[in-house]
Formats: sequence, C-alpha cells, structure tokens
Amino acid sequence: EDQVTQSPEALRLQEGESSSLNCSYTVSGLRGLFWYRQDPGKGPEFLFTLYSAGEEKEKERLKATLTKKESFLHITAPKPEDSATYLCAVRDSSASKIIFGSGTRLSIRP
Amino acid sequence: DTGVSQDPRHKITKRGQNVTFRCDPISEHNRLYWYRQTLGQGPEFLTYFQNEAQLEKSRLLSDRFSAERPKGSFSTLEIQRTEQGDSAMYLCASSYYTEMNTEAFFGQGTRLTVV
Repeated sequence: EDQVTQSPEALRLQEGESSSLNCSYTVSGLRGLFWYRQDPGKGPEFLFTLYSAGEEKEKERLKATLTKKESFLHITAPKPEDSATYLCAVRDSSASKIIFGSGTRLSIRP
Repeated sequence: DTGVSQDPRHKITKRGQNVTFRCDPISEHNRLYWYRQTLGQGPEFLTYFQNEAQLEKSRLLSDRFSAERPKGSFSTLEIQRTEQGDSAMYLCASSYYTEMNTEAFFGQGTRLTVV
C-alpha cells in the first residue's frame, strides 16, 4: 500500500536560517510526487511536481529534489511569510488517487 | 477567478441532519477529487471522478456519504445523518489528467462543524 511519511512534524527556524523538509515514500510505480503549501483554514496550494529520480524544481526560496525513496524541500534564507504547513503527496502507477503525508508545520521567526 | 470553487465555505449543522456541498472545478478539467482533512493531518482521499464516472471510492467512506458529478462538470458531496465525527474540512480538487500532467489543484474547502 502506498505510504507517505513526512519529517519533522514541526520546524521552527529563525528568519534567514536555511533548512530542509523530508518526505519518504513507498509507492508501486511513481507517477508523480507533489509538494503543496497550506495556510491555516485554506486549501493546499500547488508548488511542484517531480516525476523521476534526480529531478529538481525551484520556485523563489524553495527547491524540491527527488530520489527513488524520498524527496526534500529545501528552503533557503526563509522569511516569516514562508510559515505554513508543507504537504507531500504521491500518485502511483494506477494513476488514480493522490496520497498525502501529514505535513510539516514550518514557522519562521523574524 | 478560474480556480476551484467550493460552496459553502462554512457549515454548522445539528447531528442527524443531512448536508450537501458543491464543488465547481477548473473549466475543462477531466478529473475531480474529494478529500477530508482533520486538524494536524494531511488530506484523506474520499472519492474521485473521471468526467462523470465515479472511478474510485475510499474503503473508509461510510455509506452515509455520496458524491455525484452530473454531466462531468460540478460535483456535490452529500452526508446523510451527520455525526460529530464528520466534523472536518472537506476539500475538492481538480486536474486535467494526462500521462505527463498529473497534479491536482484544490479549492478553499468547506469547513463542517456538527454540533
């Protein structure tokens, strides 16, 4: 059965302090690994899709990377407005539903 | 605004009542998904449609839950005889699914409170 595990559950950083969020996955034939950002009380906002090991995507201070077993979301010199929950999700070879992890709550202190 | 639209944004209902939520997907998206999310958890898959056909339903989904997507456009999710455990955020997402394009886009959700 497909499984997504995110760590840490919560991360507090000082503004400008770079770090990485981890997403470990088990899936039968990856058809896409997704990163979303979610603000409190709102729906998830799409950030990236990665399809194959070695692939990287960047957007502003965020960079997502993918290996055969895990993905990392690197955040460089974060700002308070980057505070949110970051969700990782996968779609398997059946290409049906998307399965989500529990997310990492990121808090950036000014 | 061409994003996914959900209505209502908030719903408070008494236990035992029926509720219905509506989702309008991004125009021309062929897939529509329903998810449920509780505090501190990631979204949990409920069901999805390819055009008007309901292709998969979660094993966890009670028979009190039913979803439709008539004509392959908007969708409704109905919960009958609501229970306090149904309190959650209900999220709708849509995608234009192809072999090389598989991501889904979410609406702002409907927050259900059962009292």
